[in-house]
Amino acid sequence: DTEVTQTPKHLVMGMTNKKSLKCEQHMGHRAMYWYKQKAKKPPELMFVYSYEKLSINESVPSRFSPECPNSSLLNLHLHALQPEDSALYLCASSQPPRGGIQYFGAGTRLSVL
Amino acid sequence: AQKVTQAQTEISVVEKEDVTLDCVYETRDTTYYLFWYKQPPSGELVFLIRRNSFDEQNEISGRYSWNFQKSTSSFNFTITASQVVDSAVYFCALSAPGQLSNAGGTSYGKLTFGQGTILTVHP
Repeated sequence: DTEVTQTPKHLVMGMTNKKSLKCEQHMGHRAMYWYKQKAKKPPELMFVYSYEKLSINESVPSRFSPECPNSSLLNLHLHALQPEDSALYLCASSQPPRGGIQYFGAGTRLSVL
Repeated sequence: AQKVTQAQTEISVVEKEDVTLDCVYETRDTTYYLFWYKQPPSGELVFLIRRNSFDEQNEISGRYSWNFQKSTSSFNFTITASQVVDSAVYFCALSAPGQLSNAGGTSYGKLTFGQGTILTVHP
């Protein structure tokens, strides 16, 4: 089973709201990732967690706050977002670190009004 | 720095035609991994294949085949007898060490994606 589950599938939020995106995998992977994808563009890496520790932060604004409560779960907390943050947010997981295949979830389509 | 170039922005074919998607990569690392992913309209990136830099053996899997040539830094993907269900965006990606994370370690975890090729297969 190579399933990564993301919830919610769609999210609409105002610029003053606080919301969270959730990602779950049960493949025993120890690396988890958040990507942001704008329309007609490739995914852009935001964060990487390796063994539940933040490994990579690609200079993402602080209004995005990742959290990895355990090896199966990854959250992305959103606060005071801007309309330009509207995008598809993808979660992925893999076995670190040697070129592990990243398996992606279906994503959360976020609209910021 | 790592770079992946997919020169074909969009390709349109009629069902049953063969189609090749091009991918050219740049890296200074001698050990690296190359990937192809498919993204249908539903949004999920579906893993298709991984190749490491020491394995230039080409592969065929059903209607899919891949041609990896280190001499030209290319990793091309061919769909034989295309079908409407093959319509999607296809991404080539590279993962290599030598990229320091801002947490201080090297990481194979970062995928560098090409811009993607939109494939439309018409009935």
